[in-house]
Amino acid sequence: GAVVSQHPSRVICKSGTSVKIECRSLDFQATTMFWYRQFPKQSLMLMATSNEGSKATYEQGVEKDKFLINHASLTLSTLTVTSAHPEDSSFYICSASGGVGDQPQHFGDGTRLSIL
Amino acid sequence: GENVEQHPSTLSVQEGDSAVIKCTYSDSASNYFPWYKQELGKRPQLIIDIRSNVGEKKDQRIAVTLNKTAKHFSLHITETQPEDSAVYFCAALGGSYIPTFGRGTSLIVHP
Repeated sequence: GAVVSQHPSRVICKSGTSVKIECRSLDFQATTMFWYRQFPKQSLMLMATSNEGSKATYEQGVEKDKFLINHASLTLSTLTVTSAHPEDSSFYICSASGGVGDQPQHFGDGTRLSIL
Repeated sequence: GENVEQHPSTLSVQEGDSAVIKCTYSDSASNYFPWYKQELGKRPQLIIDIRSNVGEKKDQRIAVTLNKTAKHFSLHITETQPEDSAVYFCAALGGSYIPTFGRGTSLIVHP
């Protein structure tokens, strides 16, 4: 149980392209989803917290207009990197929590984004 | 907000030895402490967790201890095997319900 599916696993595209990443909870309802960015050999950097039906809460330094998050249902959250540039190249991972409070997070497989 | 410190950043052991990774946290309201294992290019996977109402939890070769007074918790891996090689992250959750991760420990188990 507690499976989180993230797509696509890898994206290579030209600078200026917008890229959408999907995160789905397959067998549970995700009240909260988190979006992380991870650089090589570094920890998970929280970008934003997404709650179903409400606006995402972004961490300091993360541009809301650059990284659009939509959490339209209890099983789906999307991250759109708008007008991506080479510096946006990174590993993006989502996670989902099934309840409020001290619940374990379940991670997606991540998306390797490469902007040429 | 919460601040989680994790040490060491790199840990190299021989197969069969024990490995210990330590984390400290700052928010006394934190009450849930999960540990994740991340292999290269893969997702972090929950390996064990502990809540503030217990001091120790064990699952086969893996154990976690929690000292709420000192605000630190540790991961213990006994009889290490090469497949234990990975990056391990500790995390703490409290009143905000937003997890704060440590910087990670790269564990290398030499055959």
